[in-house]
Amino acid sequence: AQKITQTQPGMFVQEKEAVTLDCTYDTSDPSYGLFWYKQPSSGEMIFLIYQGSYDQQNATEGRYSLNFQKARKSANLVISASQLGDSAMYFCANGGFKTIFGAGTRLFVKA
Amino acid sequence: DADVTQTPRNRITKTGKRIMLECSQTKGHDRMYWYRQDPGLGLRLIYYSFDVKDINKGEISDGYSVSRQAQAKFSLSLESAIPNQTALYFCATGPSTGIQPQHFGDGTRLSIL
Repeated sequence: AQKITQTQPGMFVQEKEAVTLDCTYDTSDPSYGLFWYKQPSSGEMIFLIYQGSYDQQNATEGRYSLNFQKARKSANLVISASQLGDSAMYFCANGGFKTIFGAGTRLFVKA
Repeated sequence: DADVTQTPRNRITKTGKRIMLECSQTKGHDRMYWYRQDPGLGLRLIYYSFDVKDINKGEISDGYSVSRQAQAKFSLSLESAIPNQTALYFCATGPSTGIQPQHFGDGTRLSIL
């Protein structure tokens, strides 16, 4: 069965510093994709970044990058130069025709 | 206008009532999903539909039913609501080709007293 594990219920980071949010996954699918979503306090789900299992390079989208280590089955999200607006819940997900979500990590950015 | 619209945005109701949450989309996607979110549990899949004639149970379908009225419309019903169905409910859509991110509605906060 597919599973996503996010072991950090909460994280603190100082404004302008980088932070890594951990995600490990388990899947038997030969081809899969890993996603990260942001959920601010207003509640909506915002897609951030995607990594395909066969992609040769780690995905990047602006200040977001994905540290994909296939052998370790990890897909950690790195946020560089944290901003106060980055304070939110972050969900890792394994996408196929069904998407399985982790429990999330709440990030607090301190001024 | 939002690509994925959920109505209502908030609902408070009593135990035993029948409730319908509606979702409509302008993305043109074939796949539609209903999730519930509870604190500490992430999003869990209730039902999903790959086209109008296809309905599938997710991991927590008990107590819920769905109807795919058209490609653009997917509704979720609670036939007899109970307090532990109090949660944030999301509708999402996705294309039928490739592994792509889903597009979410803004959610419905449902409270059952």
